[in-house]
Amino acid sequence: SQTIHQWPATLVQPVGSPLSLECTVEGTSNPNLYWYRQAAGRGLQLLFYSVGIGQISSEVPQNLSASRPQDRQFILSSKKLLLSDSGFYLCAWRSPEGRNRYTFGSGTRLTVV
Amino acid sequence: GENVEQHPSTLSVQEGDSAVIKCTYSDSASNYFPWYKQELGKRPQLIIDIRSNVGEKKDQRIAVTLNKTAKHFSLHITETQPEDSAVYFCAARTMGSSGDKLTFGTGTRLAVRP
Repeated sequence: SQTIHQWPATLVQPVGSPLSLECTVEGTSNPNLYWYRQAAGRGLQLLFYSVGIGQISSEVPQNLSASRPQDRQFILSSKKLLLSDSGFYLCAWRSPEGRNRYTFGSGTRLTVV
Repeated sequence: GENVEQHPSTLSVQEGDSAVIKCTYSDSASNYFPWYKQELGKRPQLIIDIRSNVGEKKDQRIAVTLNKTAKHFSLHITETQPEDSAVYFCAARTMGSSGDKLTFGTGTRLAVRP
C-alpha cells in the first residue's frame, strides 16, 4: 500500500536559520508531489509541485525553494527563515495512474521565533 | 489561475440537522472536486469527491452536487453528529504550467451543537 512520510512533526527555528523539510512516498512510482502551507486558522496555499525528478513548479514567489532529488522524495528548503514562514507545512501526493485522489502527509508544524 | 471561493466561513448547527457548504470556481477546465475534513492539528482527510462528468455523488450521510454550468459545487451533511465538527475545505483540480494541482477554498468551520 502507498504511504507518505513527513518529518519532523514539529520544529522551532530562529529567524535567519536554514530550513529543510523532507517528504517521501512509498509504494508508488512517479508520483505527483505537492507542498502546501497552512497559516494558523487559515486555508491551504500551494507552494510547489513536481511531476518528476528535478521538475519543480513554483506557485508563490517567496523565501522558500523545493527540490526533488529522487522519484519519491520532495524537499522544502529555506536559506534564511522569516517570522512569516511559520505555519503548518503539508506534503501531498497523487498517483499518476488513474485515480485523481490527493493524499496528505501528517504535516510539519514550524514556528519561527 | 483558478480561484475557489467557499461559504460560509463558519457554520453552527444543532445535532441532527443538515449542513450545507458551497463553493464556486473560476476555471471552466477544472475537472475534479474533492472535499476534505480537517480536525484540529491534523492533516486534511478526503471525505468525498466528484468528477466533472457527474452531477451528484452520495456516501452515507455525505453528498456532493456539482453544477458545471454555474461553476459551483456543494457539500451536504445530513443528520449531523458532534464528531462532524471540524474545518471543511473544498478544492478544484486544474492544470498548471507543468502538471495538475489542487486549489483550495478558504475553509468552513462547522460546529455541531449536542
